[in-house]
Amino acid sequence: NAGVTQTPKFRVLKTGQSMTLLCAQDMNHEYMYWYRQDPGMGLRLIHYSVGEGTTAKGEVPDGYNVSRLKKQNFLLGLESAAPSQTSVYFCASSYSWERTDTQYFGPGTRLTVL
Amino acid sequence: AQSVAQPEDQVNVAEGNPLTVKCTYSVSGNPYLFWYVQYPNRGLQFLLKYITGDNLVKGSYGFEAEFNKSQTSFHLKKPSALVSDSALYFCAVRDGAAGNKLTFGGGTRVLVKP
Repeated sequence: NAGVTQTPKFRVLKTGQSMTLLCAQDMNHEYMYWYRQDPGMGLRLIHYSVGEGTTAKGEVPDGYNVSRLKKQNFLLGLESAAPSQTSVYFCASSYSWERTDTQYFGPGTRLTVL
Repeated sequence: AQSVAQPEDQVNVAEGNPLTVKCTYSVSGNPYLFWYVQYPNRGLQFLLKYITGDNLVKGSYGFEAEFNKSQTSFHLKKPSALVSDSALYFCAVRDGAAGNKLTFGGGTRVLVKP
């Protein structure tokens, strides 16, 4: 049981390049989330998904797109990377949408945009 | 809108001494409060949560947290700190109207010196 995994772990992009971050979970969780972590700002929600084939915007969605074609995978795309998107990206998942439920996090992807 | 404040960027404590990491929150409904820990180059790990009931919540690795409704606080505590507790700690809140969306504080770095 690997939990939540993310690929790649590190990536350096040039401004304007595109890339996709992959999140996978093997806990059969229905709900998945993408956050970005910036110093002193905690984690901010980018997009989330409440089930296969569904996505929704979070707090800071601009410049990102997501897809949830399979229940176990949640992809985060950057179509045209900007230096402001330099950050550490975390994926998380939870069993339900209940307010009491715990979210479980992946190890993170450190992205640098030059 | 819900919010979380962690007033200290860093807490320094000697090994064996008590450790306290402060957190205050603001929500419109009933608060659901969480603590996560992030070790260097790792993802966030769940420590404990307050949903309802006893104001003192016990969690992983000997940590506990005290919910204080009148002071809108949820401070994390450990009676005797270890060097291995050195990490970044995040408080998070979810209110009754926000589904499973977590709002994180900015994080507090804990440094335990031998």
